[in-house]
Amino acid sequence: DAKTTQPTSMDCAEGRAANLPCNHSTISGNEYVYWYRQIHSQGPQYIIHGLKNNETNEMASLIITEDRKSSTLILPHATLRDTAVYYCIVKGGTSYGKLTFGQGTILTVHP
Amino acid sequence: GAGVSQSPSNKVTEKGKDVELRCDPISGHTALYWYRQSLGQGLEFLIYFQGNSAPDKSGLPSDRFSAERTGGSVSTLTIQRTQQEDSAVYLCASSGRLAEETQYFGPGTRLLVL
Repeated sequence: DAKTTQPTSMDCAEGRAANLPCNHSTISGNEYVYWYRQIHSQGPQYIIHGLKNNETNEMASLIITEDRKSSTLILPHATLRDTAVYYCIVKGGTSYGKLTFGQGTILTVHP
Repeated sequence: GAGVSQSPSNKVTEKGKDVELRCDPISGHTALYWYRQSLGQGLEFLIYFQGNSAPDKSGLPSDRFSAERTGGSVSTLTIQRTQQEDSAVYLCASSGRLAEETQYFGPGTRLLVL
């Protein structure tokens, strides 16, 4: 599975959009981009995933560039409860689904 | 239940004792995964089950670690002769049969070896 690069930490004001970038320049055609987050002392929570098209659900939006080498997770109206470590993971679509977690981005939402 | 459940939530044991950690996957999920998260470290894969078979055990750190799954549902991770470096949060996840299906995680078991 392709390696991902994320900023170590980011800040966001409550009520504003949080845009979390991820680089995955070695992604191959059948690999998906997954986003999870981990709030302190809890198990990772699935947020969203996509292959090539942009995706939106009740939690977030995922924007994948046309060349698929990077993506951005958007939390449209961040709240204090969105403070967490956010993981961007690339996973093959035809191989079994072991997830390889990097260090992620620590997102801190400020009042 | 609606999600993945794990028990116990917390476990404190003495060095050298054996421990068993349990995972109940989401009903109908055929794939089950165990991960470990040590203090200040990322999540690392331990073992994967598809049904009752474990095609990949490559992440188990030593032969003191073993896991089984019965009836295609509940899984137990056993650590024999626990060491202090085994202290970590042990996480279980489950997903459907297809490789691209999303994994959903349980709350984890926090193991402390004294």
